[in-house]
Amino acid sequence: NAGVMQNPRHLVRRRGQEARLRCSPMKGHSHVYWYRQLPEEGLKFMVYLQKENIIDESGMPKERFSAEFPKEGPSILRIQQVVRGDSAAYFCASSGAGNEQFFGPGTRLTVL
Amino acid sequence: DQQVKQNSPSLSVQEGRISILNCDYTNSMFDYFLWYKKYPAEGPTFLISISSIKDKNEDGRFTVFLNKSAKHLSLHIVPSQPGDSAVYFCAASATTGANNLFFGTGTRLTVIP
Repeated sequence: NAGVMQNPRHLVRRRGQEARLRCSPMKGHSHVYWYRQLPEEGLKFMVYLQKENIIDESGMPKERFSAEFPKEGPSILRIQQVVRGDSAAYFCASSGAGNEQFFGPGTRLTVL
Repeated sequence: DQQVKQNSPSLSVQEGRISILNCDYTNSMFDYFLWYKKYPAEGPTFLISISSIKDKNEDGRFTVFLNKSAKHLSLHIVPSQPGDSAVYFCAASATTGANNLFFGTGTRLTVIP
């Protein structure tokens, strides 16, 4: 049973480019969460999605960031016009009926 | 506003001794608490959880204690092993809400052989 998959593991973008981060939840999980970890900080919640629905996006920056979890395919976190402050590790987690969230290995985004 | 706090950024313990990691929270709506372990360049790995209806949950060498009146929880690892060396994150959620987790800033545990 594969765990949560994230790709790419490392992503380098120049300022102003777009970044797309992908997350495939564990088999049987329908809840997906995105978190961001800045250097020397804990993980900060960004958005919670179920298939085709955004349930809670209270942690998402108001501009440039968007997320989706389509009926088919992975969840995608999209960052438009990246800036240096977007450099961080982005983690996706998934859960089933229980409260435990299982995390993927993360995508480390570096903005040059 | 940091609703979950881990005030000790690091902890060193001798192999075989007990490791105690502490966590405080401020939001009285939190009713579910989890501990995650994280190695460098990997995602957090779920360790153990506790619901607010309990004050203790044990799983092998790991025990989590919850003191609701003090809004405090702790993770005990006994006996500590070198492979336990990692960053430990405390997390909390309000299960009546959207279920997103609020994380502490982590404690780096080093178990000295």
